[in-house]
Amino acid sequence: AQTVTQSQPEMSVQEAETVTLSCTYDTSESNYYLFWYKQPPSRQMILVIRQEAYKQQNATENRFSVNFQKAAKSFSLKISDSQLGDTAMYFCAYALSYNTDKLIFGTGTRLQVFP
Amino acid sequence: DTGVSQDPRHKITKRGQNVTFRCDPISEHNRLYWYRQTLGQGPEFLTYFQNEAQLEKSRLLSDRFSAERPKGSFSTLEIQRTEQGDSAMYLCASSLFGIGQAHRDTGELFFGEGSRLTVL
Repeated sequence: AQTVTQSQPEMSVQEAETVTLSCTYDTSESNYYLFWYKQPPSRQMILVIRQEAYKQQNATENRFSVNFQKAAKSFSLKISDSQLGDTAMYFCAYALSYNTDKLIFGTGTRLQVFP
Repeated sequence: DTGVSQDPRHKITKRGQNVTFRCDPISEHNRLYWYRQTLGQGPEFLTYFQNEAQLEKSRLLSDRFSAERPKGSFSTLEIQRTEQGDSAMYLCASSLFGIGQAHRDTGELFFGEGSRLTVL
């Protein structure tokens, strides 16, 4: 069965600094997607970034980038120039690329950005 | 507001009662999902609709749970004979593109703010 593990329950970073959130996953499949979702306090979850497993190039979205290591089954999120608005729960998620529309989420990392 | 809306936002009920949650997706989205999130955990998949067809159900969705999307628009999630273990945040999400579709927006789910259930 596919599983997603986020080993950092909480992280903190000073404004304008860089922080990296870790995620590992377990799968025997070769075609899948990986995602990072953000859940701000008392607000709805939104997609931050996605990565297709067949693409070797790491995805980037403005200040957000990933380090995708397929062989190691690792998918970390780097947030550069952290802003107070980045304070949120961050969830790593996995999905097969066929026969399902189900996302499997990790337990999340609570990120606090302080001034 | 054109996002996903859920109602009620918070429901407190006694064990054994039935509860129903409603989700209104983004209007052009044909895919609708229900997830459950307990404290300290990530969302867990419950079920998924494409239009009015329920295409996938988790084993978490016991026979006390039923979800419908009768006209392919809004959806309801009913929990019968609630138990304390049902206490959780129930999240609804919608999307235009499924996970496997070759589109740049594949896998982007738009979530509502959730319906929090407390079973006493």
